[in-house]
Amino acid sequence: GAGVSQSPRYKVAKRGQDVALRCDPISGHVSLFWYQQALGQGPEFLTYFQNEAQLDKSGLPSDRFFAERPEGSVSTLKIQRTQQEDSAVYLCASSPGATVYGYTFGSGTRLTVV
Amino acid sequence: GQQLNQSPQSMFIQEGEDVSMNCTSSSIFNTWLWYKQDPGEGPVLLIALYKAGELTSNGRLTAQFGITRKDSFLNISASIPSDVGIYFCAGPTGANSKLTFGKGITLSVRP
Repeated sequence: GAGVSQSPRYKVAKRGQDVALRCDPISGHVSLFWYQQALGQGPEFLTYFQNEAQLDKSGLPSDRFFAERPEGSVSTLKIQRTQQEDSAVYLCASSPGATVYGYTFGSGTRLTVV
Repeated sequence: GQQLNQSPQSMFIQEGEDVSMNCTSSSIFNTWLWYKQDPGEGPVLLIALYKAGELTSNGRLTAQFGITRKDSFLNISASIPSDVGIYFCAGPTGANSKLTFGKGITLSVRP
């Protein structure tokens, strides 16, 4: 597609519920990144894929967070047993190469845990 | 880890004025990036700086990569209402696989 597409745009989850957030990167982009942006803060790195390989997951805050990109294109970020502190905007970005250069961000998914 | 510091948190200017915002770090960055984020959207890259001392312009925007590689500034000249948004500085860390962002500066432009 023309840009990075994320769905849903908004998600309200009850505490304890599992959620799945989807990212469709720009076609052909090798690298895919997930970031978490809390209110009033800058985006913070969660995880990075190069094709289907998850090369860095150092930013995932707990083992409740899991990301996958099984065929090297679409990616899903899953959060199990959501908690209120998980409320944030989750941003996906893709890049044509193996580095941060040429990042394009999606519009994000705003997750609210009640 | 590496942190990028931006202050103040908010700036208010009159339409037509120039504004300057800076970003500092206790660590060296080899690249500085400036992004703008509109409400409900992801950050969009404005300017990328790759060499210490580099001065780069993009329309009414000018950014400089500090000589110490620990700071950068962004200037916006002759501001217009659509300049409203949040401005982030960012730099690559971890073998260039991820970005570290500052907390951002929210710019308001009064007509």
